[in-house]
Amino acid sequence: GENVEQHPSTLSVQEGDSAVIKCTYSDSASNYFPWYKQELGKGPQLIIDIRSNVGEKKDQRIAVTLNKTAKHFSLHITETQPEDSAVYFCAAPNTDKLIFGTGTRLQVFP
Amino acid sequence: DGGITQSPKYLFRKEGQNVTLSCEQNLNHDAMYWYRQDPGQGLRLIYYSQIVNDFQKGDIAEGYSVSREKKESFPLTVTSAQKNPTAFYLCASSLQEYYGYTFGSGTRLTVV
Repeated sequence: GENVEQHPSTLSVQEGDSAVIKCTYSDSASNYFPWYKQELGKGPQLIIDIRSNVGEKKDQRIAVTLNKTAKHFSLHITETQPEDSAVYFCAAPNTDKLIFGTGTRLQVFP
Repeated sequence: DGGITQSPKYLFRKEGQNVTLSCEQNLNHDAMYWYRQDPGQGLRLIYYSQIVNDFQKGDIAEGYSVSREKKESFPLTVTSAQKNPTAFYLCASSLQEYYGYTFGSGTRLTVV
């Protein structure tokens, strides 16, 4: 089955800097990789996803890159703002459900 | 607006009592999921259902039960057999298993 590892567990950046969160997966057949943002006391929200037929996808200040050979994918946030502070989860499919990473707590300091 | 609704937002339970958490979606999604989240921790899968009248155990199903009598509804019962039920419970739904999940806003359960 699929195994997803996420690093780092915590990340602190200065406002305006970039943040990168990385995930690795084990099943080479996996073909869908979403990222979720969870603000304090709320449910996770899908912010971006990528399918295995592309290597990169961008949406304004966030981007996701996928390296199928190395079996890892990364979330990139540029020009970070205090409202980006949250916990971010990556995920990969396993048969009939998603397997989530353990989460990264991002803190953006003004 | 379409969405997924969890109720109540906060729930208090006495030890030894069963309690049912509600999850309703009007997104016409086929699949629904229940997760447990402890402070500072990740998401642990309790139960999930791909179609009506069918559901599967997740990683931590012991002490929990579910039903899926309607496509829109997937209630979770936390039974007295669950030894440490205090947690944040999240419900999610998806059109298919490979589509992004839509999560509810969660129910915070506290055993008193």
